[in-house]
Amino acid sequence: QSVLTQPPSVSGAPGQRVTISCTGSSSNIGAGYDVHWYQQLPGTAPKLLIYGNNNRPSGVPDRFSGSKSGTSASLAITGLQAEDEADYYCQSYDSSHVVFGGGTKLTVL
Amino acid sequence: QVTLRESGPALVKPTQTLTLTCTFSGFSLSTSGMCVSWIRQPPGKALEWLARIDWDDDKYYSASLKTRLTISKDTSKNQVVLTMTHMDPVDTATYYCARISATGGWFDPWGQGTLVTVSS
Repeated sequence: QSVLTQPPSVSGAPGQRVTISCTGSSSNIGAGYDVHWYQQLPGTAPKLLIYGNNNRPSGVPDRFSGSKSGTSASLAITGLQAEDEADYYCQSYDSSHVVFGGGTKLTVL
Repeated sequence: QVTLRESGPALVKPTQTLTLTCTFSGFSLSTSGMCVSWIRQPPGKALEWLARIDWDDDKYYSASLKTRLTISKDTSKNQVVLTMTHMDPVDTATYYCARISATGGWFDPWGQGTLVTVSS
């Protein structure tokens, strides 16, 4: 049982917009800790996608965006592409300990 | 360019101690604010943070695994070592090391990971 809750799966057709939620509590996201997002393509290591709630590292397309409000955060992907099919994880802190979400599998229909 | 690479045994027996090494390049663990963490991922499951070591040798451990983990560094070799005692089949996972900055809190980049299977 992960401290941060994500939907197990989401799906969308090419070109569509999808969102992935990451729900925490007052001891983690709600306490003011930043949320970071990772993309894990099949058979590969996770890769940083969004840091500090809404910042994209160099090289990450602007189709990916993050937001945070209260005890939750969201990752939005617009203009969905086949190459976006992957697992996505949110990460934050809880009482100064690192916590991850349970992961969301994105399927591009 | 920052890179990290994990190495260690692919197979360990139950009750044995696992020793993993993270060899990195492109940064120094003697630089203020630099840290390295270990994270694992059982097959088909989510990521789990294990431990972190900082440039000043401060160490942090997962509360649930604290009694079994030891993290250390060799700054001259650009290596971080993780030991996990009393291995069990449930510890079968891909183990990753990743750089993290003390101020930022995010992991970037990650090593490719090394799969460790615990079986007799």
